[in-house]
Amino acid sequence: SDELTQPPSVFVSPGQTASITCSGDKLGNKYASWYQQKPGQSPVLVIYQDVKRPSGIPERFSGSNSGNTATLTITGTQAVDEADYYCQAWDSMNTCVFGGGTKLTVL
Amino acid sequence: QVQLQESGPGLVKPSETLSLTCTVSGGSMSPYYWSWIRQPPGKGLEWIGYIFSSGSTNYNPSLKSRVAMSIDTSKNPFSLKLNSVTAADTAVYYCARGWLGGNYFYMDVWGRGTTVTVSS
Repeated sequence: SDELTQPPSVFVSPGQTASITCSGDKLGNKYASWYQQKPGQSPVLVIYQDVKRPSGIPERFSGSNSGNTATLTITGTQAVDEADYYCQAWDSMNTCVFGGGTKLTVL
Repeated sequence: QVQLQESGPGLVKPSETLSLTCTVSGGSMSPYYWSWIRQPPGKGLEWIGYIFSSGSTNYNPSLKSRVAMSIDTSKNPFSLKLNSVTAADTAVYYCARGWLGGNYFYMDVWGRGTTVTVSS
């Protein structure tokens, strides 16, 4: 299956913009989704089909996908956004693949 | 509001079969792709596979030889069986509701997860 690569960690100051990348071969030709997971909790879908936000997800979460990279952007990051974030796509072998995850630290 | 709940033994012996069930409440079983995902301690997410509401399946190639999923839409739950388990199968197991299109797949509702430990 195709691989998705994420940075292990990203640091951001409160109120600033956090960008988390996800790289994969021709990822821009597929749709990317993003999940937020806080310690001890199950993952929550925050972005699907590259740019769509599920009901209840704050507007500060946005997504983009082009070329080989999908990006999750959190504008005006809050302490409550500190979590692990996973990208996910449907690969060329018709299976679901996750990135390795990025720990977002707000400090 | 759709909710999912995993259930099953928390401890399985090596070489035996792990069996889990996911109960769906507050929504229909159709026409969704009911998935299982696992997360070993301190590690990332791994998709195990899905079963469509009609019964068709799609498994992760790395687990395909050991996995079987079933569904009973009349009685609601869907199930996972993973045979010949080893310590490497120790993880939190999640069930989730999936949406599949031409080149997209995502999971919008997740259960709380259940911890399965493989140990003698």
